[in-house]
Amino acid sequence: SQQGEEDPQALSIQEGENATMNCSYKTSINNLQWYRQNSGRGLVHLILIRSNEREKHSGRLRVTLDTSKKSSSLLITASRAADTASYFCATVSTGANSKLTFGKGITLSVRP
Amino acid sequence: ETGVTQSPTHLIKTRGQQVTLRCSSQSGHNTVSWYQQALGQGPQFIFQYYREEENGRGNFPPRFSGLQFPNYSSELNVNALELDDSALYLCASSFSGRARTGELFFGEGSRLTVL
Repeated sequence: SQQGEEDPQALSIQEGENATMNCSYKTSINNLQWYRQNSGRGLVHLILIRSNEREKHSGRLRVTLDTSKKSSSLLITASRAADTASYFCATVSTGANSKLTFGKGITLSVRP
Repeated sequence: ETGVTQSPTHLIKTRGQQVTLRCSSQSGHNTVSWYQQALGQGPQFIFQYYREEENGRGNFPPRFSGLQFPNYSSELNVNALELDDSALYLCASSFSGRARTGELFFGEGSRLTVL
């Protein structure tokens, strides 16, 4: 079953704009991670935020976590055409440490 | 490149057949997880292997089975294939074991089509 629900399902922006993607989840978590997938290929890890953290940065990526609302957001600043991909949030629930539970993903299109 | 390699990359089987998918984990990693990704969906956890033992299983029937070898490579076996087994099968390695699952390193996947 899917734990995370990403929003929106699809996003189309112009190169140079910022892209904001949201994720909601249902259970208590140890950490939340964001992954990227290009066109049916393998997933690439972008960033991990632990349940006791509220914000994290990595290059052009900024992720926030609100455990009271069970939600997270991923911001990609100054987007590039190469950022076109599907983005997934995934959670590690407390008491289920062996697995990541993924959402259905967000399709991001960045127009040159 | 994550250093995780999967084979074969594509394969076609018919209903009722059996399939074996293989995965070589990244050097230094002792944990392998398998995920099934249907078209347009997020990956679904099948199971994880840590030091050659199953360490967690998702909601998949027993006809999905696996192995991990002493060199930490792994196999996923699916018996009595059904049409709904058509999917991208992803292997991911990590060095987390029974600790909290951190970053996973994914291979490019094996795309299985069942006719």
